[in-house]
Amino acid sequence: DAEITQSPRHKITETGRQVTLACHQTWNHNNMFWYRQDLGHGLRLIHYSYGVQDTNKGEVSDGYSVSRSNTEDLPLTLESAASSQTSVYFCASSEGQLAKNIQYFGAGTRLSVL
Amino acid sequence: ILNVEQSPQSLHVQEGDSTNFTCSFPSSNFYALHWYRWETAKSPEALFVMTLNGDEKKKGRISATLNTKEGYSYLYIKGSQPEDSATYLCASLTGANNLFFGTGTRLTVIP
Repeated sequence: DAEITQSPRHKITETGRQVTLACHQTWNHNNMFWYRQDLGHGLRLIHYSYGVQDTNKGEVSDGYSVSRSNTEDLPLTLESAASSQTSVYFCASSEGQLAKNIQYFGAGTRLSVL
Repeated sequence: ILNVEQSPQSLHVQEGDSTNFTCSFPSSNFYALHWYRWETAKSPEALFVMTLNGDEKKKGRISATLNTKEGYSYLYIKGSQPEDSATYLCASLTGANNLFFGTGTRLTVIP
């Protein structure tokens, strides 16, 4: 069965370190998204991609970057981790050209920055 | 940034009761409205995507309506069951092609 997987599921890191969270989907979806989820906020969009070599900034992109070298993967990199980036991160994908189609979410990565 | 609001924030109902909650969103540049169901320790799962004013969608005991002119959507659950306990998220898509999520309504169904 097609799926979307995130790794690691849990990560503890120190302030200032570079961290990369992996997202891999086997649906062959064009669109991939990264969100963060914090208490008192809905899911907030960090970055998204509508295809290979395409990346776009979302609502809360500062301190994060993504790259899309193939259809299946959209790794999220925290350039220099900050305590404010302690959060739960969700990756999602959807088919088609636009974000109107339903999104399929991964299980999430819980990141703690100490 | 789009202001998507959901009410109530949380809700407790007895098993068998019917319930509904609201998602409000800016009506300008509307493109689509998503509803997701999010159980604790799992990932959000899509319920509906609605695009047209007056749309009604149904999935089992769950249904949703959409009013794009006034900027709201209702989610209804008929005869709530304990397995319906979850957080229900709505998200609005504007012409900018980004989904903006509300903070969700947390539903607890008491057996």
